[in-house]
Amino acid sequence: DQQVKQNSPSLSVQEGRISILNCDYTNSMFDYFLWYKKYPAEGPTFLISISSIKDKNEDGRFTVFLNKSAKHLSLHIVPSQPGDSAVYFCAAIEENRDDKIIFGKGTRLHILP
Amino acid sequence: SQTIHQWPATLVQPVGSPLSLECTVEGTSNPNLYWYRQAAGRGLQLLFYSVGIGQISSEVPQNLSASRPQDRQFILSSKKLLLSDSGFYLCAWRYYNEQFFGPGTRLTVL
Repeated sequence: DQQVKQNSPSLSVQEGRISILNCDYTNSMFDYFLWYKKYPAEGPTFLISISSIKDKNEDGRFTVFLNKSAKHLSLHIVPSQPGDSAVYFCAAIEENRDDKIIFGKGTRLHILP
Repeated sequence: SQTIHQWPATLVQPVGSPLSLECTVEGTSNPNLYWYRQAAGRGLQLLFYSVGIGQISSEVPQNLSASRPQDRQFILSSKKLLLSDSGFYLCAWRYYNEQFFGPGTRLTVL
């Protein structure tokens, strides 16, 4: 049973436009969410996170929005740049658990010239 | 600063051969350590995690095993590789609410 779902395996966006990556979750005990970026043949790198007590967190071109009632979060990248082409993983941590982080299957983002 | 090492970077092994992938972490003590596999179309699959020396939790039944002989060392092993074991293996460690990944090992089983 997938607790963190990224239903779009891939997404293509024109350079300069906004990229929106979506993530849904089923476990209401998740209280912290993260986005990771991964290039081929490299380990994922942390991008941005959000606590469940917030509904928005912004860091430069990256903004994460959280809608707890819908159990949905999204990552907005604006403006999109060629270097943003990568696989993006959504991840979640369960309240009071310090063992594992649950990852989605990832969305491959292609930035078109 | 903390650093995570994995080796080898790439590996080609025949079916039925043994496997040993090593991960070490520097700059921290008693980290939570993780092994993931990224296979085509399957995202990041958590295989094992460890919260301390000798403590291993398995997430997915398979022919792989993990061991943690030292605080900052995590080893992924197999006695006999299968074709389906091919993939990109990632070691990671946890620091509060963040997880940091190693550079990965590309395993091809022929």
